[in-house]
Amino acid sequence: GESVGLHLPTLSVQEGDNSIINCAYSNSASDYFIWYKQESGKGPQFIIDIRSNMDKRQGQRVTVLLNKTVKHLSLQIAATQPGDSAVYFCAEHTGGFKTIFGAGTRLFVKA
Amino acid sequence: EADIYQTPRYLVIGTGKKITLECSQTMGHDKMYWYQQDPGMELHLIHYSYGVNSTEKGDLSSESTVSRIRTEHFPLTLESARPSHTSQYLCASSVTGAYTFGSGTRLTVV
Repeated sequence: GESVGLHLPTLSVQEGDNSIINCAYSNSASDYFIWYKQESGKGPQFIIDIRSNMDKRQGQRVTVLLNKTVKHLSLQIAATQPGDSAVYFCAEHTGGFKTIFGAGTRLFVKA
Repeated sequence: EADIYQTPRYLVIGTGKKITLECSQTMGHDKMYWYQQDPGMELHLIHYSYGVNSTEKGDLSSESTVSRIRTEHFPLTLESARPSHTSQYLCASSVTGAYTFGSGTRLTVV
């Protein structure tokens, strides 16, 4: 069936290093992808999105890459900071209400 | 500052009780959603709404019900709470695509 899955359940990085969080999706009809950040005790917050007609989109310290050939999405965080510690979800949108969230990757930032 | 509000933030109740989790948004979004999430786990859609007087069940079988009488209000009701309902409940709204989430209600049924 349809799924959005993350390759790694946890990721630990040194403060100042770059982080890469990966996501696989299975529905080639998906046309919109979103990354969310969820801090402890809070709901997920929008970080960045990308439409299927793009390969790359940059925000402030974050970049999302989309590889439609292998159905792969990644979130890159530059100069990771302690405040980046959270669970990161990718979400896949196929129109209407069909949004599928992945299981999440927990990012630990070591000082 | 979130424009979608959930109350209560935490709730501990006994088995068999009826409860209503409140969700309100001030953004005028037509679409609203309820998700169930165990800590650090994926989100499961339990109900959604296109707009006033429109509600649908999501992917996860749920013993809850929702109503949408006003655009800004989307309450979730459990008629008879059970320990298996212990979880976090997240409300969200959207126009198209990206969601705005509330901070959630952490429910414990004892």
